[in-house]
Amino acid sequence: GIQVEQSPPDLILQEGANSTLRCNFSDSVNNLQWFHQNPWGQLINLFYIPSGTKQNGRLSATTVATERYSLLYISSSQTTDSGVYFCAGPLISNFGNEKLTFGTGTRLTIIP
Amino acid sequence: DSGVTQTPKHLITATGQRVTLRCSPRSGDLSVYWYQQSLDQGLQFLIQYYNGEERAKGNILERFSAQQFPDLHSELNLSSLELGDSALYFCASSRDRRNTEAFFGQGTRLTVV
Repeated sequence: GIQVEQSPPDLILQEGANSTLRCNFSDSVNNLQWFHQNPWGQLINLFYIPSGTKQNGRLSATTVATERYSLLYISSSQTTDSGVYFCAGPLISNFGNEKLTFGTGTRLTIIP
Repeated sequence: DSGVTQTPKHLITATGQRVTLRCSPRSGDLSVYWYQQSLDQGLQFLIQYYNGEERAKGNILERFSAQQFPDLHSELNLSSLELGDSALYFCASSRDRRNTEAFFGQGTRLTVV
């Protein structure tokens, strides 16, 4: 099955810093999502980005499907950005359906 | 609010017991997925239903079972619980089986004592 690798595993930054999180896939993807899991455990949708670039406030994401990677950019970090960031891509099952396979996540800690 | 509702939010139960977790998908979504997240671990796919039928299975234990009802809500049944079953259980839903965005509920935090 498809493998999803995220880097770095941990990131500690000062408030106001910028960061780039990376997600690599072992195979091509056509359905990629980024999630933020906050300290209370909630999984929040950030981007649905099979290809191209999207922006939402201080966050943006780029997926280069042909090269099997996606990047999540966080600018001017705030303490509320702390948590674990997951990327997830599809795994084709025997039925031909897609289920999201999650990477191991990047734990981001923003220090005031 | 993702629109996916999971109940209960918290559950504490003893080893050997059986529990049922419930999930209501977003309005119009036909696919429901269940995931398990153990402490400080990633999300492990358990099972997927589409319009009432099981479509894909992950590493789901034989002690666990699930179903999706005609009104599209889903239940995950966990039996003969062990300490290691303590985890966050997430339900997600999506419009279709593929190429559509999935949204997650707030999760059920299960503690087995």
